[in-house]
Amino acid sequence: QVQLVQSGAEVKKPGASVKVSCKASGYTFTSYDINWVRQATGQGLEWMGWMNPNTGNTGYAQRFQGRVTMTRDTSISTAYMELSSLRSEDGAVYYCVRKEMGLSGRVGDYWGQGSLVTVSS
Amino acid sequence: QTVVTQEPSLTVSPGGTVTLTCASSTGAVTSGYYPNWFQQKPGQPPRALIYNINNKHSWTPARFSGSLLGGKAALTLSGVQPEDEADYYCLLYYGGAWVFGGGTKLTVL
Repeated sequence: QVQLVQSGAEVKKPGASVKVSCKASGYTFTSYDINWVRQATGQGLEWMGWMNPNTGNTGYAQRFQGRVTMTRDTSISTAYMELSSLRSEDGAVYYCVRKEMGLSGRVGDYWGQGSLVTVSS
Repeated sequence: QTVVTQEPSLTVSPGGTVTLTCASSTGAVTSGYYPNWFQQKPGQPPRALIYNINNKHSWTPARFSGSLLGGKAALTLSGVQPEDEADYYCLLYYGGAWVFGGGTKLTVL
């Protein structure tokens, strides 16, 4: 069965960086894009960007350009999302989300369980 | 900045029909926006319902359907069940980036 298992909760100080991992199993890791979505408490969903695990190609939402980096380690079927220069408003649950490659492909048929990031001094 | 707009809240009676819409600040939503719809219940990750306008996932109940309606993407629930009470989000594609709508809180009352 397909699973995306994310790393645990993190508490970071303003200005620090956080790196969240997402380990995929039950399918061929390099055959599906990984997207990252976040959700602040009580708020809506926010798309952050995507990564093609096969090529390493990425695309980021404009508001995160320069602060977010998405990478992968294909040997362990794991994707990573690193967000730098954290501020209090970056406190949220971060989700990794599987997407079929191609624009018309299924988005979000599988989601990670979410990783809570708290930013506090 | 692109804004995707959904009704903040809607209320429907059990057994009724309700349509949620998803509008783009750039103009009419067309097939090139590849609309997706998600359902989220409290404390859970979202669950995908519809992709590419009107395609259902294997787990999507038959009472959910997607369409393009009056320049917007639409999600229609026919024969609403109490368990359909949830937040619903649309997702649109903008040439390399995806943008979520603000979500609709659906109350079944």
